[in-house]
Amino acid sequence: DIQMTQSPSSLSASVGDRVTITCRASQSISSSLNWYQQKPGKAPKLLIYTASSLQPGVPSRFSGRRSGTDFTLTISSLQPEDFATYYCQQSYSPPLTFGGGTKVEIK
Amino acid sequence: EVQLVESGGLVVQPGGSLRLSCAASGFTFDDYAMHWVRQAPGKGLEWVSLISWDGDSTYYGDSVKGRFTISRDNSKNSLSLQMSSLRVEDTALYYCAKAVYNYYYFMDVWGKGTTVTVSS
Repeated sequence: DIQMTQSPSSLSASVGDRVTITCRASQSISSSLNWYQQKPGKAPKLLIYTASSLQPGVPSRFSGRRSGTDFTLTISSLQPEDFATYYCQQSYSPPLTFGGGTKVEIK
Repeated sequence: EVQLVESGGLVVQPGGSLRLSCAASGFTFDDYAMHWVRQAPGKGLEWVSLISWDGDSTYYGDSVKGRFTISRDNSKNSLSLQMSSLRVEDTALYYCAKAVYNYYYFMDVWGKGTTVTVSS
């Protein structure tokens, strides 16, 4: 099975900060990596698919990038509504796997 | 509006069985693969199962393989998850999720979930 290692597990940041979350795959997954945002008590929301494609309706301050088996989600200027937990997910092959999550908290 | 509504979550004893359902509306159900994803209390997301648009292909996570069965009824726009030999560690909020068109392996619409508690 493909393991997804996400870091950090949590971070504190201020409104306006640039935030980067990393996800590393245990083997090559091409660009088959997706990012979700989950707010407390809510279902996850797809933000980025195939490593760098922005889901329609998602603000352009969110972006994704791939470098080999390392993937990053960047929020260019953190907004109050962005405080949430973020998960990566590999869609290369079943069993599908998620990273452990990154909780973005207010500093 | 695309909508997924899960039901069937209950408190059940270890070793017991349970069937979850997901009612889909607002899209052409039989055009899309469908998933179940779960989240244990205070924990991260865990993918459970996937079924192709026609029901011919199914996939399972390692922790549920051999115990859970995913199925769908396209005539009723309905997805199901039959759960057996339930364990305490199956306790979770179970989400039904729709795959993206032509991309089986990730999800763009999620339901609100139904809670399964396995406890004696």
